Amino acid sequence: DIQMTQSPSSLSASVGDRVTITCRASQSLGIYLNWYQQKQGTAPKLLIYAASTLQTGVPSRFSGSGSGTDFTLTISSLQREDFATYFCQQSYGTPRTFGQGTKVEIK
Amino acid sequence: QVQLVQSGAEVKKPGASVKVSCKLSGHTLTQLAMHWVRQTPGEGLEWMGGFDPEEGETIYAQKFQGRVAMSEDTSAETAYMDLSGLRSEDTAVYYCATAPLCGGSTCRVLDDWGQGTLVTVSS
Repeated sequence: DIQMTQSPSSLSASVGDRVTITCRASQSLGIYLNWYQQKQGTAPKLLIYAASTLQTGVPSRFSGSGSGTDFTLTISSLQREDFATYFCQQSYGTPRTFGQGTKVEIK
Repeated sequence: QVQLVQSGAEVKKPGASVKVSCKLSGHTLTQLAMHWVRQTPGEGLEWMGGFDPEEGETIYAQKFQGRVAMSEDTSAETAYMDLSGLRSEDTAVYYCATAPLCGGSTCRVLDDWGQGTLVTVSS
């Protein structure tokens, strides 16, 4: 199985901060990498697919980059509604494994 | 607008089976690929399997092979996930999620999700 490692596992930030989350794969994925946001008690929501394509309706403060084994999710200016847990998922191989998540908390 | 509504919470004994349903509205099952993902505090999010348009069949994660079966009733626009041989480690929230019916990096995404079904396995 392809292992996905996210860092950090949690972070504290203030509204307006720039936040960066990284995801590293155990083998090359090309651009087969997606990002999801999950708020407490709700299902994950797709934010970015194919490493850098913003899902329809997702604010432009979210962006994704990377290819191969190293990927980044950036929130350019953190808003209150962005406090949540973020997961990366590889869709290159089966099983389509997820990272362990990064919890973004209010400082 | 796609909406996925899952069946309610279940409590099962070890060794039993559970069948979770997922009703689709706003689209049709024959034009989407259905997947199932579960979430536990210990293992996080785990992809269990789903329809792969490039393979033309449902693919299961090896971890669940032999214990899981995913099916659809297209007349009822409802998908099902059967998990047998339940053990305490299967206690989780189970999600259905849809993907576009196409191939490539832009299609291997889970873009709509059900609300989740809590399955508790306890003696």
